[in-house]
Amino acid sequence: DIQMTQSPSSLSASVGDRVTITCRASQSISSYLNWYQQKPGKAPKLLIYAASSLHSGVPSRFSGSGSGTDFTLTISSLQPEDFATYYCHQSYNTPFTFGPGTKVDI
Amino acid sequence: QVQLQESGPGLVKPSQTLSLTCTVSGAPIGSGDYYWKWIRQPPGKGLEWVGYIYYSGSTYSNPSLKSRVDMSVDTSKNQFSLKLSSVTAADTAIYYCARARQGAMSIDYWGQGTLVTVSS
Repeated sequence: DIQMTQSPSSLSASVGDRVTITCRASQSISSYLNWYQQKPGKAPKLLIYAASSLHSGVPSRFSGSGSGTDFTLTISSLQPEDFATYYCHQSYNTPFTFGPGTKVDI
Repeated sequence: QVQLQESGPGLVKPSQTLSLTCTVSGAPIGSGDYYWKWIRQPPGKGLEWVGYIYYSGSTYSNPSLKSRVDMSVDTSKNQFSLKLSSVTAADTAIYYCARARQGAMSIDYWGQGTLVTVSS
């Protein structure tokens, strides 16, 4: 199985901050990397697919980059509604696996 | 607007079979453009991919669940289902059904999730 790691596991930030979350795969996954946002008690929501493509309706302050084994999710200016847990997810090889999550709080 | 809704018992006894159904509206399951997935999340923990089914009935399930998973699809009802046998407390989780687009296999629509507790 492809193992996904994320760093940091949690971070504290303020509104307006630039936030970067890193995801690393245990082997190359090309650009088959997706990012999701999950708020407490809610289902995850797709933010970024194929490493850098913004999902429909997602604000442009979210961006993704990377290929191979190293990927980043960047929030250019953190908004109050962005406080949540973020998961990366590889869809390169079955079983598709998720990272452990990064919790972003105030 | 695409919507997915999980249904099934919220409490299952150990060693029994967990059965869930996902009803899809706003998109035909019979479209070959998507895969239909199950993902679970133990309370307070991360996400685990359970498996997927294609409209044709072909399936793939997470080897970590060994042979306990059975999935089916009913295109006439626009539903797909999950059965997980021989459950233990470790199977207690929020179970989500979801849709993944072909190609990127990113999950663009999720159900709201249903908590299934395994307990006697």
